This record gives sequence, structure tokens and C-alpha cells, in this order.
Amino acid sequence: GNSVTQMEGPVTLSEEAFLTINCTYTATGYPSLFWYVQYPGEGLQLLLKATKADDKGSNKGFEATYRKETTSFHLEKGSVQVSDSAVYFCALSGAGGGADGLTFGKGTHLIIQP
Amino acid sequence: KAGVTQTPRYLIKTRGQQVTLSCSPISGHRSVSWYQQTPGQGLQFLFEYFSETQRNKGNFPGRFSGRQFSNSRSEMNVSTLELGDSALYLCASSVGHYSYNEQFFGPGTRLTVL
Repeated sequence: GNSVTQMEGPVTLSEEAFLTINCTYTATGYPSLFWYVQYPGEGLQLLLKATKADDKGSNKGFEATYRKETTSFHLEKGSVQVSDSAVYFCALSGAGGGADGLTFGKGTHLIIQP
Repeated sequence: KAGVTQTPRYLIKTRGQQVTLSCSPISGHRSVSWYQQTPGQGLQFLFEYFSETQRNKGNFPGRFSGRQFSNSRSEMNVSTLELGDSALYLCASSVGHYSYNEQFFGPGTRLTVL
């Protein structure tokens, strides 16, 4: 079946540091890939997505590139802010419409210190 | 535009009881998906409804059920509650299938089973 693997953290960085959160996946066919963010006490928000190989999703300074050859979708940001502190989830939707919903990684807790 | 709303936000039940959770999607959204979030298992897909029909179902026992009404509002029911059902239950809505349409998540219902 489908699966997503990401570092769980917590990942602690200083403000303005470079961020990378690794995400690798296992899926048949050509899944769509997503990054969601969850702030304390809130539901998940879609951060960015990519629907085919070599696509780059970007939003709010975050970006991730769909790499089929390495089955990866790593999240990056050049300069993080305290307000980026949250839990980040990598997810995929199976090929062919995905009959089993979104498959999520365990989430990475990111802490940005001033 | 109002977001996805879930009621109640918090629930405390005892083992053996049943519970009903409610989700009101964003106006115009016809797809509603439900997820269970626990520290141990992370986010797991429960089921998806579209136009009052269950379209997809995750790997959960039959004690978990749901339905969708003609106005797209959805309810999920858990019967014969077990301690392990304690979790945050998230509802998400989208215009169409979650593979190709952004899912908007509600804040969740925190269920505690004693």
C-alpha cells in the first residue's frame, strides 16, 4: 500500500535559518503530493502541492519538488520565521483517483526560536 | 466565506457508549472526508462522502460509520466506544475529489473515551 515517511522531530531552528524537512513516499503509479501545516489548536491547511513528476509547488516562501526518481518531496524554506512554528505533514493521494484518501506522514514538529 | 465547522469541539464519553460528530463543509463543496488523528497512528483516513454516497472507506471497523445529507453536511458515528477511539477527528471538504482539489480542514472534534 501507500506510505509516507518524514522526520518527526522536533526540529529546532533559529530565525532566518534554512529549513529542509525530508519526505519520501511509496506508492504505485503517479500520486499527487502535498504538504499540509497544522498550527496549535487548528485544523490542517494545505501549504503546497504537486501533481506530476518535476512539478514544483510553492507558497509563502516554502517550496517542494516532486522527484519521481528518488520518490521524494522535500520541503524547503530559505529563511524561517518564528511564525512558521507548527507541525508539517507530507501526504500523498494515490494514483487513479486514490480510493484510500490522503496518506499522511507522522508529521514534523518545527520550532523556530527568535 | 465560512470555513469548515465541526461540532462539538470536545466530547467525553465512556466505554461502550456511542457518539455522533457533525461536520458542515464550505458552501458549494460536495466532498466530505473524515480522518482520525492520534499520537501513535498519526492521521488515518476514515471515509469520504460525495453527493450523499460513501465513495471511499479506510481500514476501520464497522463501528465507524457516516452519512452525508443533501446539503452536504456530514455526520460520523462511532458505536460501542473503546479507549483506543480517543482521538482528534478531522473533517475536510473539497469541491470535488481530494486528489485534484484542495481539501479544507475543520478544527476537529477532540473525543476522549474514559
